[in-house]
Amino acid sequence: DTGVSQDPRHKITKRGQNVTFRCDPISEHNRLYWYRQTLGQGPEFLTYFQNEAQLEKSRLLSDRFSAERPKGSFSTLEIQRTEQGDSAMYLCASSHGAAAYGYTFGSGTRLTVV
Amino acid sequence: DAKTTQPTSMDCAEGRAANLPCNHSTISGNEYVYWYRQIHSQGPQYIIHGLKNNETNEMASLIITEDRKSSTLILPHATLRDTAVYYCIVRVGSGNQGGKLIFGQGTELSVKP
Repeated sequence: DTGVSQDPRHKITKRGQNVTFRCDPISEHNRLYWYRQTLGQGPEFLTYFQNEAQLEKSRLLSDRFSAERPKGSFSTLEIQRTEQGDSAMYLCASSHGAAAYGYTFGSGTRLTVV
Repeated sequence: DAKTTQPTSMDCAEGRAANLPCNHSTISGNEYVYWYRQIHSQGPQYIIHGLKNNETNEMASLIITEDRKSSTLILPHATLRDTAVYYCIVRVGSGNQGGKLIFGQGTELSVKP
């Protein structure tokens, strides 16, 4: 287990279509985070899970966005009825719960809505 | 909103130490300072983090002022591969009450030959 895996790496979709991204965290990490990053900006927090419980959602996470983490393992982020403004890099990170540990990020999924 | 402020960009000569400053004047007593960097089109890479004491690892050193209102990341011998955007982050909340990292704009470090 070498790190956080995200799939797919790239996704091109037509406006109005639904897309789903997957994140596989480091196996012993109980926390999982989703971020979105647009060009030239720092990553923006979307939501996070502790085990299977979704503990916080950002205002950025509109009704079209939903995230799940069944059984506290992998997570999925779904965007319904995609819009051009959803084009971004979607990053996943995982960590132990305690602040004494770092967070490990995946390489991200780059979404382009055309 | 991010709780940190950093210069937008910095240059450093290859082989020299790169000193990246960060202000976090509103940091709470139990909030950690984290540093990440991001090379174009990759996910952020963890560098180092600390609470009160100075920290050192194989990548960098972190110097935190006694009042904890600012810190400096030191890359002792910068190489061209250290060219990246460096983010200074205060971890919001503690223990089970928080944990998210709120990123600011970061500092774009350019290491020049």
